Amino acid sequence: DTAVSQTPKYLVTQMGNDKSIKCEQNLGHDTMYWYKQDSKKFLKIMFSYNNKELIINETVPNRFSPKSPDKAHLNLHINSLELGDSAVYFCASSQALGQPQHFGDGTRLSIL
Amino acid sequence: AQSVTQPDIHITVSEGASLELRCNYSYGATPYLFWYVQSPGQGLQLLLKYFSGDTLVQGIKGFEAEFKRSQSSFNLRKPSVHWSDAAEYFCAVGDKAAGNKLTFGGGTRVLVKP
Repeated sequence: DTAVSQTPKYLVTQMGNDKSIKCEQNLGHDTMYWYKQDSKKFLKIMFSYNNKELIINETVPNRFSPKSPDKAHLNLHINSLELGDSAVYFCASSQALGQPQHFGDGTRLSIL
Repeated sequence: AQSVTQPDIHITVSEGASLELRCNYSYGATPYLFWYVQSPGQGLQLLLKYFSGDTLVQGIKGFEAEFKRSQSSFNLRKPSVHWSDAAEYFCAVGDKAAGNKLTFGGGTRVLVKP
């Protein structure tokens, strides 16, 4: 069974559209994260939730809004997509703060 | 602010040879340190971690890493590389005071020659 699963795996859309990426973990972890990996493979934290509460919110445009309906899910909604949003977005989870993070396989977002 | 530097962007190694990937970090206290591996089109898989204690840590797939506080380094090693080790390797430092945020290095791509 997949521990951290993201959908969709690929997302191709046009500038200006609104899209969502879903993430679910079946590990029983309390903490979930979103990372962005750019075309040069550089990885940067975007958000983190612990027990449905936002604890990390890096300097990300407010077009990006995470939502955690329960501690097993952390979805990422993006409004008014821009060319610079093209990247691979990774979801991760950890048992608690300070514990190793388990990553999903990523969602490759391409903006036309 | 914490930071992680991986000085080598690419490394090419022959199959069966040893491998060492360098990682230097900047962090104000005792860090949590990690090495992750990313195969093409895949997510990141944890190879090993250092939290405290023994400075030589063993990981999966025959990898080990040594924490050297005096050098602010956490280099990854493998004595004999297999073709399946070709991948991108990321070193990361975890910020305990900031919600376990991971700061990653830029990655090192490892190519394995037959």
